[in-house]
Amino acid sequence: AQTVTQSQPEMSVQEAETVTLSCTYDTSENNYYLFWYKQPPSRQMILVIRQEAYKQQNATENRFSVNFQKAAKSFSLKISDSQLGDTAMYFCAFMKLGDDKIIFGKGTRLHILP
Amino acid sequence: GAVVSQHPSWVICKSGTSVKIECRSLDFQATTMFWYRQFPKQSLMLMATSNEGSKATYEQGVEKDKFLINHASLTLSTLTVTSAHPEDSSFYICSATLTGEGSYTFGSGTRLTVV
Repeated sequence: AQTVTQSQPEMSVQEAETVTLSCTYDTSENNYYLFWYKQPPSRQMILVIRQEAYKQQNATENRFSVNFQKAAKSFSLKISDSQLGDTAMYFCAFMKLGDDKIIFGKGTRLHILP
Repeated sequence: GAVVSQHPSWVICKSGTSVKIECRSLDFQATTMFWYRQFPKQSLMLMATSNEGSKATYEQGVEKDKFLINHASLTLSTLTVTSAHPEDSSFYICSATLTGEGSYTFGSGTRLTVV
């Protein structure tokens, strides 16, 4: 069975700083997707970034980028130039290719301080 | 982009009554919809997976007679909490996907309070 582990329950950083959220996962599959979702106080789940496991290149979306280490089964999220609006719960998630079920980590609560 | 509409956004009901929550994909046909429950400051817990025209698949420990799921069309799934009790109070979220697309869209959630 696949598992997703987020070892940082809570983090705080100053506005404009860079922060990295950790995520590791366990799977015997070779083809899968990895996701980072953001859940702000509104509780709307928002896709931040998606990575296909077959792609070696790390996905990026503006200030958000990932460090995908397939062999190490690590998928960290880097937020550059952090903004107050980045304050949210961040969930790392895994989905096996061909399966519709997504598996979430327990989340990291990120506070951006003014 | 894909939009999933979830209604109501919040509901208060009396113990023993039933509550229906709707999840609609507005601009795409979702082959699969998911229902999650989220307790405060916790992750999303998958309750069930529903496919249009077939019975929902419930996760272990989820009472299928209490949480009735109907997926009557490719754009609508409903979750009915039957004979609700205070312990059913929670935040419920739906999501929708096209099979194999690896793309999920979430509804805005429903806060259920049973008094």
